[in-house]
Amino acid sequence: SQQGEEDPQALSIQEGENATMNCSYKTSINNLQWYRQNSGRGLVHLILIRSNEREKHSGRLRVTLDTSKKSSSLLITASRAADTASYFCALRLNSGNTPLVFGKGTRLSVIA
Amino acid sequence: NAGVTQTPKFRVLKTGQSMTLLCAQDMNHEYMYWYRQDPGMGLRLIHYSVGEGTTAKGEVPDGYNVSRLKKQNFLLGLESAAPSQTSVYFCASAQGREETQYFGPGTRLLVL
Repeated sequence: SQQGEEDPQALSIQEGENATMNCSYKTSINNLQWYRQNSGRGLVHLILIRSNEREKHSGRLRVTLDTSKKSSSLLITASRAADTASYFCALRLNSGNTPLVFGKGTRLSVIA
Repeated sequence: NAGVTQTPKFRVLKTGQSMTLLCAQDMNHEYMYWYRQDPGMGLRLIHYSVGEGTTAKGEVPDGYNVSRLKKQNFLLGLESAAPSQTSVYFCASAQGREETQYFGPGTRLLVL
């Protein structure tokens, strides 16, 4: 399969704690993107990291990419109840004109 | 800017009926996509378009047709609905292949 695999499938934490979710993949990528989906809503883009980048930050979000291990992690610091959502990694493959390939997501619950 | 809009928001069909889902974007994006999302399956690409007048098949195109007669609109058609097409359908657009995607709010379709 060319899609990324998120781990864990579900995560439950207390407000204020950090949340880490991972995405592993098997093919060569151009970039990797993280999206958030609130229940019953469309996906919202969070951050894009290119294959020649190792780390990016956006507010409370920190994304790392290790192309040698073919894995990425999304860290949400000081989580809030509003961070409760599903988080998806999406791969932009190097091969051909294949559009983004989405994983199955990590469901994060932040308990107040 | 309305971004990406989808109509209808919810629809119930009987097996064998036909319908068209409309996606509209006001960001002058070249690329548009149709996905379906089923529990535990993540997002799966149905069809996409890289510009006005063009369409291409995605991962799960069978039973669906699309048209991109105007740059801002991308239509998804079901000619003869089947219960297996019960799903949530998302439309997305992007400026280019490498760019992030902007999603609509989704259309919930129930086929009885």
